[in-house]
Amino acid sequence: EDQVTQSPEALRLQEGESSSLNCSYTVSGLRGLFWYRQDPGKGPEFLFTLYSAGEEKEKERLKATLTKKESFLHITAPKPEDSATYLCAVIGSGYSTLTFGKGTMLLVSP
Amino acid sequence: DADVTQTPRNRITKTGKRIMLECSQTKGHDRMYWYRQDPGLGLRLIYYSFDVKDINKGEISDGYSVSRQAQAKFSLSLESAIPNQTALYFCATSASTGNQPQHFGDGTRLSIL
Repeated sequence: EDQVTQSPEALRLQEGESSSLNCSYTVSGLRGLFWYRQDPGKGPEFLFTLYSAGEEKEKERLKATLTKKESFLHITAPKPEDSATYLCAVIGSGYSTLTFGKGTMLLVSP
Repeated sequence: DADVTQTPRNRITKTGKRIMLECSQTKGHDRMYWYRQDPGLGLRLIYYSFDVKDINKGEISDGYSVSRQAQAKFSLSLESAIPNQTALYFCATSASTGNQPQHFGDGTRLSIL
């Protein structure tokens, strides 16, 4: 059974204070790891897909990295508008659907 | 216009009532999914469909049923609603080629009294 654990559950940063969110996973034959952003009252919004260890993707202040056991979402010089819940999901070779983590709630204060 | 549209956005109803949540998409995707989201439990898969003739149970299908009326339409029904089905419900779609990401609607907030 695929498993995804995200940490921390919640993170509070000052504007400009860089940090990282963690997504640890257990999966048989990783086919893809996905990062999403979810704002209150909205559906998850797709950010990145990572397919193999060593891969990195960037978008504005966000950078996602992948190892064989975990993924990090690095947030550089965050702004208040980066406040959201960030979700990680994986799909393994034994399953045809995503397994989601419970998310990290990020709050960036001005 | 949104690519994945869910109706209604909010619904309050009583125990025992039959409820249908609807999802339509303009992305041209073959695959569609229904999830529920509860505080502390994250997103859990209820049902999914890889094409019009395909329906599969997810992690928590008991008490729910679905219908795939067309490539673009996928509805979720609660035959006899109970209070612990109070949750935020999301529909998602994905392409069928490779390991493509899922794209979500903005959800239906369902409260069962």
